[in-house]
Amino acid sequence: DAGVIQSPRHEVTEMGQEVTLRCKPISGHDYLFWYRQTMMRGLELLIYFNNNVPIDDSGMPEDRFSAKMPNASFSTLKIQPSEPRDSAVYFCASSPPAAGSTDEAFFGQGTRLTVV
Amino acid sequence: LAKTTQPISMDSYEGQEVNITCSHNNIATNDYITWYQQFPSQGPRFIIQGYKTKVTNEVASLFIPADRKSSTLSLPRVSLSDTAVYYCLVGDGSGNTGKLIFGQGTTLQVKP
Repeated sequence: DAGVIQSPRHEVTEMGQEVTLRCKPISGHDYLFWYRQTMMRGLELLIYFNNNVPIDDSGMPEDRFSAKMPNASFSTLKIQPSEPRDSAVYFCASSPPAAGSTDEAFFGQGTRLTVV
Repeated sequence: LAKTTQPISMDSYEGQEVNITCSHNNIATNDYITWYQQFPSQGPRFIIQGYKTKVTNEVASLFIPADRKSSTLSLPRVSLSDTAVYYCLVGDGSGNTGKLIFGQGTTLQVKP
């Protein structure tokens, strides 16, 4: 398996534009996470899904952020409209079914978003 | 939500053993302790997980005392490539192992 695949790797956009980040989890994994990482705030959990259903979106900072998982092999994180303070590295991660309390999540390479 | 406390940074030299301790005073009965490693420009990577006593794999050892209020990640004979941020995580206390909350982590700098 190629691991968790995120696209694009880098995104530069102007303030006010819509941004869509994409993630393909590892096949067979039923948990999918979206994280945001900045120097100031560290690694923040934004939302996670289980079996394509959003379980906890309490980390989503504002209504400008939305995430979907239409099927087991694809998820998107959308920011509309984008603002400079959204600049960060966004990670997607997936993990297999929780059997025996295994907390091993596999992270993608991340998308570095810059909003100017 | 169980909170973890770990040193912000540590320095070491090549060939030394490094021990990073994490405090988690409010750990719940069904929580596991998990450690991740993150290199610059990469996503975090799972290192090791344990519930109590000692766990060892090819990368590290994890020591957990009987009261489970702390844990120590031990890296034997570190090299320059072990320079990274190390995160200690515990479960959210609800028994839902799906939710992974990262703290500030410990930045380990290995010097030649």
